[in-house]
Amino acid sequence: DTEVTQTPKHLVMGMTNKKSLKCEQHMGHRAMYWYKQKAKKPPELMFVYSYEKLSINESVPSRFSPECPNSSLLNLHLHALQPEDSALYLCASSRLERGGQETQYFGPGTRLLVL
Amino acid sequence: GENVEQHPSTLSVQEGDSAVIKCTYSDSASNYFPWYKQELGKGPQLIIDIRSNVGEKKDQRIAVTLNKTAKHFSLHITETQPEDSAVYFCAASGAEKLTFGTGTRLTIIP
Repeated sequence: DTEVTQTPKHLVMGMTNKKSLKCEQHMGHRAMYWYKQKAKKPPELMFVYSYEKLSINESVPSRFSPECPNSSLLNLHLHALQPEDSALYLCASSRLERGGQETQYFGPGTRLLVL
Repeated sequence: GENVEQHPSTLSVQEGDSAVIKCTYSDSASNYFPWYKQELGKGPQLIIDIRSNVGEKKDQRIAVTLNKTAKHFSLHITETQPEDSAVYFCAASGAEKLTFGTGTRLTIIP
């Protein structure tokens, strides 16, 4: 089973709202990732968690706050977003071997619209 | 950091013909090269990958070739079918980070 699940599938929020995106995997992977994907562009890395600790933050604005409660779950907390933050948010996971160069498995994404 | 270039950006082929997508990378330390297929409204799905100790890998109608000296790798799809229509991304992996190419929109013409 190589499934990564994400909820919700769609989210519409105002600029003053607080919402959270959720990601879950049960493959025993110890690395989890958040990506942002704009239309007709490749995914852009936002955060990497290794063994439940934040290992990479790609200079993402503080209105995005990641959290890894345990080895199977990854959250992305959203607050005071801007319309330009509207995008597809993808979660991925991988094993942590071979110097990190392992296959990343992606979830279906959450399509976010900020009004 | 790593930079991955991908060509062409769009590709239309007749059903049954072959499709080839090419990528180049800049960081000689990269040694893992996956290819992802992304259909509309879905997340990227791994279709094939190759590591630097291998020059070619094949899985049914899909093959990938790697030239580490020239720092380029290619995806080959033979006997294309309508369900192959999608956006394809190549990627190159350094430690913990995957750098994607800009994508190729492949359209199979029935």
